Amino acid sequence: DAGVTQSPTHLIKTRGQQVTLRCSPKSGHDTVSWYQQALGQGPQFIFQYYEEEERQRGNFPDRFSGHQFPNYSSELNVNALLLGDSALYLCASSLLGRRAAKNIQYFGAGTRLSVL
Amino acid sequence: GDSVTQMEGPVTLSEEAFLTINCTYTATGYPSLFWYVQYPGEGLQLLLKATKADDKGSNKGFEATYRKETTSFHLEKGSVQVSDSAVYFCALSGKGSQGNLIFGKGTKLSVKP
Repeated sequence: DAGVTQSPTHLIKTRGQQVTLRCSPKSGHDTVSWYQQALGQGPQFIFQYYEEEERQRGNFPDRFSGHQFPNYSSELNVNALLLGDSALYLCASSLLGRRAAKNIQYFGAGTRLSVL
Repeated sequence: GDSVTQMEGPVTLSEEAFLTINCTYTATGYPSLFWYVQYPGEGLQLLLKATKADDKGSNKGFEATYRKETTSFHLEKGSVQVSDSAVYFCALSGKGSQGNLIFGKGTKLSVKP
């Protein structure tokens, strides 16, 4: 049973460029959430996708956008990169449902983005 | 808004010592509470959870009890091992959050042989 997979593992970009990160959810999951983890900090929620729509969003600018595909996989896009966007980007998947247990999030290993 | 506060690290212990990492939260209603662990170079792994007051989550010798009266969810382990060295994050999932998490800043634990 494959867990949450993310690609690429590492990425180096320069200021002003655009980047796309990818995530495949755990088998059986239908919801993907993205988090940004700056060095030495806890992860911060960016947004969540369910049924190919953005359902919730944290306090991140419009430069951060996403997409979910019919197979539940997801992409995170960041435009006009800033030095401060350097971080570990984590994808988490879950099964959205009424029962609290179904909302448990399982994380991938992350994509380390460095902006120079 | 909702928030999580956990004790500052780093915490350094000798093998077989007792571990406590404090975590308190602020939230409306009755959030679900979690501890995640992050080993060097890896993503987050769910360690344990509790979804209602007085619930005790446990896994791999770690325990935490959901205390509504003190809004706390402290992580404990009776005898730590070198392999427990990692960063531990306390997190909550509030009402209407669809499972999305608010994390504390993390506590780095180093266990010496």
